[in-house]
Amino acid sequence: DARVTQTPRHKVTEMGQEVTMRCQPILGHNTVFWYRQTMMQGLELLAYFRNRAPLDDSGMPKDRFSAEMPDATLATLKIQPSEPRDSAVYFCASGLWTRAGRGETQYFGPGTRLLVL
Amino acid sequence: GNSVTQMEGPVTLSEEAFLTINCTYTATGYPSLFWYVQYPGEGLQLLLKATKADDKGSNKGFEATYRKETTSFHLEKGSVQVSDSAVYFCALSTSKTSYDKVIFGPGTSLSVIP
Repeated sequence: DARVTQTPRHKVTEMGQEVTMRCQPILGHNTVFWYRQTMMQGLELLAYFRNRAPLDDSGMPKDRFSAEMPDATLATLKIQPSEPRDSAVYFCASGLWTRAGRGETQYFGPGTRLLVL
Repeated sequence: GNSVTQMEGPVTLSEEAFLTINCTYTATGYPSLFWYVQYPGEGLQLLLKATKADDKGSNKGFEATYRKETTSFHLEKGSVQVSDSAVYFCALSTSKTSYDKVIFGPGTSLSVIP
């Protein structure tokens, strides 16, 4: 049963520290998304990649956040420096886009729960 | 712009009650519509979807019909169980080529009591 995996599952850090979250998409999927979920804002799209190329990162604070896909099996989301307002659950999702397709499913990982003190 | 509106929660029902969670959308083009469910401590997972008008998506006893005339995609289940307690998200995508930004609604929390 293929799943998206995320590490770490929980992270507590102090303000100003760097945070790196990792995601392994489902093998064969060509699209990867990063979301942030908070009680106040709900689910927000931060960035997404297709075939490892960034397609849209307009939802991401550029001054402190960065997202990359070093290879097809790894996506990373970094926050440097972290701030208390970054406390949230960060989800990675992957899916298979095809030119002829429509309404493809996104498969979510279990999330990284981040607390910045 | 494209948007999704869901009924506000939380919704609390007794076991075996009928469930409706309303969802309406605003979109250009021909959106695909989704319901995702999030169980406590987990990521979202697809519950059902419909990709064109009048399609009915169904899964695990849940159903939703894509109504273009009313721009709605209401989620229904005839008899809920305690295990259905979760947050339900209505969502849409508008690109014919898919994986354009998926717009999620705010979510509706459902609690089912024995």
